Amino acid sequence: QQQVKQSPQSLIVQKGGISIINCAYENTAFDYFPWYQQFPGKGPALLIAIRPDVSEKKEGRFTISFNKSAKQFSLHIMDSQPGDSATYFCAASPYSGAGSYQLTFGKGTKLSVIP
Amino acid sequence: DAGVIQSPRHEVTEMGQEVTLRCKPISGHDYLFWYRQTMMRGLELLIYFNNNVPIDDSGMPEDRFSAKMPNASFSTLKIQPSEPRDSAVYFCASSSHGRDRPMGRGYTFGSGTRLTVV
Repeated sequence: QQQVKQSPQSLIVQKGGISIINCAYENTAFDYFPWYQQFPGKGPALLIAIRPDVSEKKEGRFTISFNKSAKQFSLHIMDSQPGDSATYFCAASPYSGAGSYQLTFGKGTKLSVIP
Repeated sequence: DAGVIQSPRHEVTEMGQEVTLRCKPISGHDYLFWYRQTMMRGLELLIYFNNNVPIDDSGMPEDRFSAKMPNASFSTLKIQPSEPRDSAVYFCASSSHGRDRPMGRGYTFGSGTRLTVV
């Protein structure tokens, strides 16, 4: 019930291409969905987040798409650059109330953008 | 602010020894989280505190693990005795969850402590 399933485990994209990472969840109480970016030797850092009152959120080259009925959300990185090479984690939690401070993380996707 | 500060960055210890990991959260943040990261299990929440009080420690793997937060600016995670399977990267994160929490605020993670138990 608490799991967030993330795929793929690893992804290789050419520079300028689109990177797509997918996540699915079961817990219908989840209504806050952030994505974190982690570089080697660093802790994860918040990249972008969405709530299910919208189906899409865009910040620069990063877009979250959200499908509430399918309980799926995805991260799209447009015009992928070598500097985007990192591990990406999706996460979920209730936005308020019990458990709202406990993020459940996916297992991560290692993205490599090749020149 | 210098962010969440963890020490040490790396720790190598022998099986059976006591290990203490330290964390200084961001000033003003009222939530503190300890996570463990491994290749097999990803990021696992071990325990979290609100206003220095432990709220949920259900992720602590065994009695060998303990965590304290004696004040708002310091927390420790202790493993005694340590075992090779405890080898992982341990992260501390802090957050401020006010009544009108901005959606994008999220957690701020430290750079982690890489623990190796031999």
